[in-house]
Amino acid sequence: VQLQQSGAELVKPGSSVKISCKASGYTFTSYDLHWIKQQPGNGLEWIGWIYPGNGNTQFNQKFNGKATLTADKSSSTAYMQLSSLTSEDSAVYFCARSYYGYNYWYFDFWGPGTMVTVSS
Amino acid sequence: DVVLTQTPVSLSVTLGDQASISCRSSQSLVYSDGNTYLKWYLQQPGQSPQLLIYEVSNRFSGVPDRFIGSGSGTDFTLKISRVEPEDLGIYYCFQATHDPFTFGSGTELEIK
Repeated sequence: VQLQQSGAELVKPGSSVKISCKASGYTFTSYDLHWIKQQPGNGLEWIGWIYPGNGNTQFNQKFNGKATLTADKSSSTAYMQLSSLTSEDSAVYFCARSYYGYNYWYFDFWGPGTMVTVSS
Repeated sequence: DVVLTQTPVSLSVTLGDQASISCRSSQSLVYSDGNTYLKWYLQQPGQSPQLLIYEVSNRFSGVPDRFIGSGSGTDFTLKISRVEPEDLGIYYCFQATHDPFTFGSGTELEIK
């Protein structure tokens, strides 16, 4: 199992950015993919998840309107678009696969992260 | 949102000694199905987080038995016995009982 993320982005305030998470080594449509934010020197913040099998999503309300999650089954790639960017969006963004068992679940594989820097 | 308070913020441990990290939740983490969705992750320097413990006390595949998770309700602990050099990094607790899921603020373990 591997999650490959797109490269670092330098973007201007007010613009949008779309970052990707390409999955391999497993059936892409059978597992949720979550997105997690890590601001410099700060902890981790859960953004939301997408189930590529049917496109269902669930978000941390804080990111409603900020993040859009999509998935392309043909390329086994999940995307997160962040809009109306401000300096508060400068962070490393991880994708992580969730594995579900009976009465348990966890993030078992993580991407390496994509750094997004918002600066004029 | 559920706030997870981790203590200490940092700790310095001699190789071979024990380390203990506390994670206290602002609400009970027992879900309506009776399970407690509290996990522990370690983020080594420059790396993505990696799973250590899920659902309070279950070690993930390949995690040494030096790592022991315990607790219930709102109080949880991760104990690391016989600390080794590769244990350094930031430890996070994570709850998936309540929406939105939240992480603790992290505990940085350094080796003396």
